[in-house]
Amino acid sequence: DTAVSQTPKYLVTQMGNDKSIKCEQNLGHDTMYWYKQDSKKFLKIMFSYNNKELIINETVPNRFSPKSPDKAHLNLHINSLELGDSAVYFCASSQVMPADEQFFGPGTRLTVL
Amino acid sequence: GENVEQHPSTLSVQEGDSAVIKCTYSDSASNYFPWYKQELGKRPQLIIDIRSNVGEKKDQRIAVTLNKTAKHFSLHITETQPEDSAVYFCAAPNYGGSQGNLIFGKGTKLSVKP
Repeated sequence: DTAVSQTPKYLVTQMGNDKSIKCEQNLGHDTMYWYKQDSKKFLKIMFSYNNKELIINETVPNRFSPKSPDKAHLNLHINSLELGDSAVYFCASSQVMPADEQFFGPGTRLTVL
Repeated sequence: GENVEQHPSTLSVQEGDSAVIKCTYSDSASNYFPWYKQELGKRPQLIIDIRSNVGEKKDQRIAVTLNKTAKHFSLHITETQPEDSAVYFCAAPNYGGSQGNLIFGKGTKLSVKP
């Protein structure tokens, strides 16, 4: 069984569009995260949710908004996509934050044209 | 907040040699230091971690050492194999302004030549 899954795996879209990436975890973890990995491979935390409450909100543009319908899901909505949003987005989860193993999803490669 | 520096950014070794990657952190309150391995096109995966109550931890060919006084920790891979080729990330928890997240180093691309 896949522990952390994301859809879609690839996303190609035009500037200005709105898109969503879905994430689900079946590990029973209390915390989920979204990371952005740019072309230089830097991993930067964007958001984390703990028991459906936003715990941290890094300095990301407000065009990005996390939505958590329940503890097992954390979706990422992006409005008015820009070229600089092109990256790989990883979802992750852990039981305890932050000093615990994080399990990453397979990633979503977003390309904005 | 926490700041994590990782060196070197690239490392090339011959198969069978050892590889060492070093990280420094700034927050003395940090108490958990994981290492993640990311193969090309794959997700990051935890390979080993250490908590601040121990100075060294080993798991077969990999080991992590921690020096709390100097605020640095290192990943050691012995008898490297081609499948060890990947990007390795260290991380430390941020208990500062943005609480509850891991701060990752910028990664080390390890190449093991057969």
